[in-house]
Amino acid sequence: DQQVKQNSPSLSVQEGRISILNCDYTNSMFDYFLWYKKYPAEGPTFLISISSIKDKNEDGRFTVFLNKSAKHLSLHIVPSQPGDSAVYFCAASVTGSARQLTFGSGTQLTVLP
Amino acid sequence: DTAVSQTPKYLVTQMGNDKSIKCEQNLGHDTMYWYKQDSKKFLKIMFSYNNKELIINETVPNRFSPKSPDKAHLNLHINSLELGDSAVYFCASSQSSNEQFFGPGTRLTVL
Repeated sequence: DQQVKQNSPSLSVQEGRISILNCDYTNSMFDYFLWYKKYPAEGPTFLISISSIKDKNEDGRFTVFLNKSAKHLSLHIVPSQPGDSAVYFCAASVTGSARQLTFGSGTQLTVLP
Repeated sequence: DTAVSQTPKYLVTQMGNDKSIKCEQNLGHDTMYWYKQDSKKFLKIMFSYNNKELIINETVPNRFSPKSPDKAHLNLHINSLELGDSAVYFCASSQSSNEQFFGPGTRLTVL
C-alpha cells in the first residue's frame, strides 16, 4: 500500500528549462512534506520542505507547491542545471508520529546540456 | 567531518551468516533511524531510536536487532542472513524537526 507515489520513474529536461517533479499521497493525515535528492552511491540529502499550512515554499531555484485538496505536491527547479541530475524522492510525515517519513519510489531527473 | 557515517560501505556475505552495520552521527541529534532501500528503490523505515530508546519498530524480522549504545550511535545486527536481505541500508538522524540527515548507505549482498 503505497501512501506516497511518484508515478514518473524518469524525467529528461534541457539545461536552462524548468523541471517539474510530481508526487501524490493518499494519507490525509500527512501534514509535512519533504523533497530529497540522491546521487549514486550517496545517501539522500534534504532539499526543501513544506508544511500543510502553506501551499508554496521557495528556496533559490527550488519551489515546492502543495495542493491539499488534490493530495498532490510538485517540485519545480528553475533553471535546471546538469548538476541537478539525480534521483528525487518525495517524503511525507505526520506531526507527532516520531518523525517517521514515508517515501515515494523516486524520479530520476536528467538535465541535458 | 562527516555528519552521518556508516561502516562498511559494501558487505558481501554468505546466507546464514551474522553481520553488523555501524552508524555514527556527529550532529548532536537525538533521534536515529535505519532504512532499507529494496530492489524497487523504495526507502522503508525499519527502526527509530530517540535518546537510545526504541520508538519505531516496523514489521521487520526479529533477525534484525538494532542497538544504540549512546545517542551518537545506532548499529544494526542481522542474524541468519537470507537472500532477501540484500539491499542498501541507510542510517539517518534528526533533531526536533522532520528533516533527516542520511548516511552514505551500506550495500549488503547475500550470496
